[in-house]
Amino acid sequence: GENVEQHPSTLSVQEGDSAVIKCTYSDSASNYFPWYKQELGKRPQLIIDIRSNVGEKKDQRIAVTLNKTAKHFSLHITETQPEDSAVYFCAASRGDNYGQNFVFGPGTRLSVLP
Amino acid sequence: GVTQSPTHLIKTRGQQVTLRCSSQSGHNTVSWYQQALGQGPQFIFQYYRKEENGRGNFPPRFSGLQFPNDSSELNVNALELDDSALYLCASSPGQGLTDTQYFGPGTRLTVL
Repeated sequence: GENVEQHPSTLSVQEGDSAVIKCTYSDSASNYFPWYKQELGKRPQLIIDIRSNVGEKKDQRIAVTLNKTAKHFSLHITETQPEDSAVYFCAASRGDNYGQNFVFGPGTRLSVLP
Repeated sequence: GVTQSPTHLIKTRGQQVTLRCSSQSGHNTVSWYQQALGQGPQFIFQYYRKEENGRGNFPPRFSGLQFPNDSSELNVNALELDDSALYLCASSPGQGLTDTQYFGPGTRLTVL
């Protein structure tokens, strides 16, 4: 089945700097890759997603890149702010009924220091 | 948005529990996830139009239902200590696991 790894597990940056989180996946049939932000005690919230027919997607300060050949995708946050502090999860899905096909990474705890 | 009840629940080992989820208006797919402390959500199963549409690596004592109004229940029988976790449901407007999913606030289950 699909396996998603995520690095780093913790990340501290100064306010205004950029943050990059990388995920790798194992199932070449995966075709949908969302990123979720989860603040302490709150629900995961979708911040950006990308599908396998696209290499990069941007939304203001947030961007995601996908390398299908290498089977990895990355989240880029520019001009970080203290409110960006949270746990970020990547996920991969192949969108059919074959086994465990929506898999989350273990998460990255991002701390933005003022 | 997506709502879940109850917010918190305490059960003892061996008991049964039912968790409920109301999907976002217009969404007809509901997925359930288990999130242990400090880990990412683990996919349990998904329902589309009252039929199971995908299942993760969870035993049969985890079962579900989806109702005509697209709300859903997660039932867990013979509770074990390791079932203690945050249970999240997510709804999406389409069919399949590549549709954008919107999560509810979760139900925190503690098994003693």
